[in-house]
Amino acid sequence: KNEVEQSPQNLTAQEGEFITINCSYSVGISALHWLQQHPGGGIVSLFMLSSGKKKHGRLIATINIQEKHSSLHITASHPRDSAVYICAIQRDKLIFGTGTRLQVFP
Amino acid sequence: KAGVTQTPRYLIKTRGQQVTLSCSPISGHRSVSWYQQTPGQGLQFLFEYFSETQRNKGNFPGRFSGRQFSNSRSEMNVSTLELGDSALYLCASSSVWQQETQYFGPGTRLLVL
Repeated sequence: KNEVEQSPQNLTAQEGEFITINCSYSVGISALHWLQQHPGGGIVSLFMLSSGKKKHGRLIATINIQEKHSSLHITASHPRDSAVYICAIQRDKLIFGTGTRLQVFP
Repeated sequence: KAGVTQTPRYLIKTRGQQVTLSCSPISGHRSVSWYQQTPGQGLQFLFEYFSETQRNKGNFPGRFSGRQFSNSRSEMNVSTLELGDSALYLCASSSVWQQETQYFGPGTRLLVL
C-alpha cells in the first residue's frame, strides 16, 4: 500500500467551479507539501503545511494531522489551473502521491 | 533572484553509457535534492545534499551517484545506463536542510535508447 494516496486521479471541471483534491497518508510526517506541475514538466511548490490551513489567492490547503488527511481547494477555477497537482509528505525525504490531473474547461 | 537551473534540458544516450546532470540552486540555498519522475513510478527521491554532504539517499542502485560543490552546485551521475533510466530528472533547492519549501528546476529529460 502506498504511504500517500490521492483522489481523484483525474478531474474535469467547468470554469468557475469549486474544486477539491484529497490526500491521505498512513505514516507520521513533519509536513505536507502541495505541488503543481504543468505539461512542460516544471514543478511549483504551492503550500507546505504542518497544521491548520493556508490560503494563497484562490487556493486553500488544509491538513488534519489526527486524521492524516489534507485537502487542496481551488475556488472559482480557471483554465489556467489545468495541471497535475501532487501531494507529498515530508519525512526524512519527500514521498509523493501519484498526482491528480485537473482539466478546467471554459 | 534567478531560479534553479538545470543543464542540459534534454539528453539522448544509449544503453551502457554514463551521463552527468547539473543543477545550480538559487543563490544562498545550501540544500539540493534530486528526484526522478517516470510515468510508471511517478516522482521518487534520489538524494539530498547539504553543505557538500549527502544527507539522505533514496532506494536507487549504486549506479546513481551525486555530489555537491562548495558553491552549492550539484551534479548527479548515472553510470551504465539502462532503458528504464529514461525519465525527467528534477532538482530542487532550499535554504536549509529540506525542512521548508523547495524550489524546483525545469528538469532534464533523459532518453536512453
